[in-house]
Amino acid sequence: KAGVTQTPRYLIKTRGQQVTLSCSPISGHRSVSWYQQTPGQGLQFLFEYFSETQRNKGNFPGRFSGRQFSNSRSEMNVSTLELGDSALYLCASSGGQGAGYTFGSGTRLTVV
Amino acid sequence: EDQVTQSPEALRLQEGESSSLNCSYTVSGLRGLFWYRQDPGKGPEFLFTLYSAGEEKEKERLKATLTKKESFLHITAPKPEDSATYLCAVQATGGSYIPTFGRGTSLIVHP
Repeated sequence: KAGVTQTPRYLIKTRGQQVTLSCSPISGHRSVSWYQQTPGQGLQFLFEYFSETQRNKGNFPGRFSGRQFSNSRSEMNVSTLELGDSALYLCASSGGQGAGYTFGSGTRLTVV
Repeated sequence: EDQVTQSPEALRLQEGESSSLNCSYTVSGLRGLFWYRQDPGKGPEFLFTLYSAGEEKEKERLKATLTKKESFLHITAPKPEDSATYLCAVQATGGSYIPTFGRGTSLIVHP
């Protein structure tokens, strides 16, 4: 079956701009989580969506937001980009709260 | 606060040289411990879930074990294709079910 699909794979943006990343989870998975991965901090949890509702939120500023659509596809948005937002953004879907994640390949965001 | 510490940070092995990676954790109660493999430029790939002390899971050259305070990922006779970063994550009982990840162990296997 198809895996988790993230688009785009790479992005280069300028400080102050905003960006939207997209994630299509595995068919049937209703939970979608977003993580930021950097060499210095490792995997940091951003938020989780379930049935179009944000169920959990990590410790990131309000510039980071997301949403989930009725078909479980999810988007995350980062406004007023900062250099420190450069990272690999990973989306993961899960078939249940006790199940492991299936991750996408990520979106590599570079802010210049 | 849940904590996950992986050691060593980096490990270099010769092909065929068996070794173990460690994941120490502190949680109020363990719901599950997960191991993932991550190749450069890709997302982590799920390997195992362990739920209770004494449990073991195997996949090819990998075997994961669990105690009340730590988990080990044993790599038997590794091959160069086993080179990757191995991540450990713990999920606590109660609360949000969101797993806490360790920083990972970067493994390089030389031919």
